[in-house]
Parts: sequence; structure tokens; C-alpha cells
Amino acid sequence: AQSVTQLGSHVSVSEGALVLLRCNYSSSVPPYLFWYVQYPNQGLQLLLKYTSAATLVKGINGFEAEFKKSETSFHLTKPSAHMSDAAEYFCAVTGGTSYGKLTFGQGTILTVHP
Amino acid sequence: KAGVTQTPRYLIKTRGQQVTLSCSPISGHRSVSWYQQTPGQGLQFLFEYFSETQRNKGNFPGRFSGRQFSNSRSEMNVSTLELGDSALYLCASSSGTSGGSTDTQYFGPGTRLTVL
Repeated sequence: AQSVTQLGSHVSVSEGALVLLRCNYSSSVPPYLFWYVQYPNQGLQLLLKYTSAATLVKGINGFEAEFKKSETSFHLTKPSAHMSDAAEYFCAVTGGTSYGKLTFGQGTILTVHP
Repeated sequence: KAGVTQTPRYLIKTRGQQVTLSCSPISGHRSVSWYQQTPGQGLQFLFEYFSETQRNKGNFPGRFSGRQFSNSRSEMNVSTLELGDSALYLCASSSGTSGGSTDTQYFGPGTRLTVL
């Protein structure tokens, strides 16, 4: 079984500040991890993915995430927040024989203040 | 390359009715997954189809069903609608070439279903 916990359902930052969204996972098989972003009334857009090739993963729009097996974490960061980053962010895990199944966290709503 | 498309984008139904939602995957993708998104339960996996076969299924009642056609397009059906079925239904496609579960999923815009 797999699960994801996103710490903090709401995160608020000022424009230009560091963005840190936390994700911890549980998996009995080697995990593949993803971060998606969802803007209002839209589907999910892939930000980045970890597939065991490198522990530090760079994604779109300046986001990156680091896979830490010892901490079972996959936190998302961005050095400088932009107003356009305001959205809901989802961490997801898959692996093994979970054909086509992503297990998502509950999501974190990011608010960016001017 | 065109993305995942879902039709219709919005639906309003009444309790007891049935509904069919459609999903066209990215060209060349053979795997289609369906998810239900609600404020209370978040994103939950419904089922996945690959080459017209259901390979995986989530914990939803039998009222939720799906199928996939030879061109990889997929439909999901919900019979005897309940108020709690009101949700955003998302479809995602992946290439399916890895043969396993690790392909990246690309999502459509969703169908917003409201049950009155």
C-alpha cells in the first residue's frame, strides 16, 4: 500500500520569498513520485517527477524537489515566489504493480501576497 | 501534440439518472486512468484501462464502470446517480510503454458533474 501526507493544507508566502511545500510518502516498493499543480477549474499539470535517476529533480517554472529516502520525503521548493504560482499543489506516489494508479496527498493551497 | 480532452466539461443530472463521460487520450497513449476529485475526499483513483482491458480498479461501488475502445478513447459511466457523486472527474493518459505503473500521467481538464 502507498500513501502521501502533505503537511499544511494552506501555505502563504510573500512575492519573492522561498516556497516550501512538504510531502512525505509511504511505500512498500521503490516509489515514483510526482508533483502536480492545479489552477482553478483546470486539470492537473505536471511540475516534476522522481524516477530514481537523480535525487534532486528540476521541474518547470523554477520548481525543484529533493528525494530523501531516509526521511521518506519529497518536498517541493522554489527560491522566489511569483504571483502566478498561486494554485493548489498535489504530491503523488506510484510504483510496483499499481497500474495507472497515482495515490495523491490532500493538496496544499499556495497563496502569494504582493 | 494535442493534450487529453474530456467531454462534456459540465453536466447537471438528477438523482437516479445515469451519466457517461468521455476521454480522448494524447495521440499514441494506450493507458487511460480515471479519478474523482471532491473537496472532502480529494483525488481518488477509479480505474485504469490499457489496450481495452481494465488493469486496475479503485474502491468504488459497481455503479461506476468504464471501458476503452480500440482507438484508446475511454468512457466512464455512473448509474443511479447519488448526490455524493457530484465531483470533478479527471481523466489521465500515459504511454503505457513501460508496461508497469511508472509512466507519467497527463491530465485532461475534467468534467464537472453536479447531481441535484
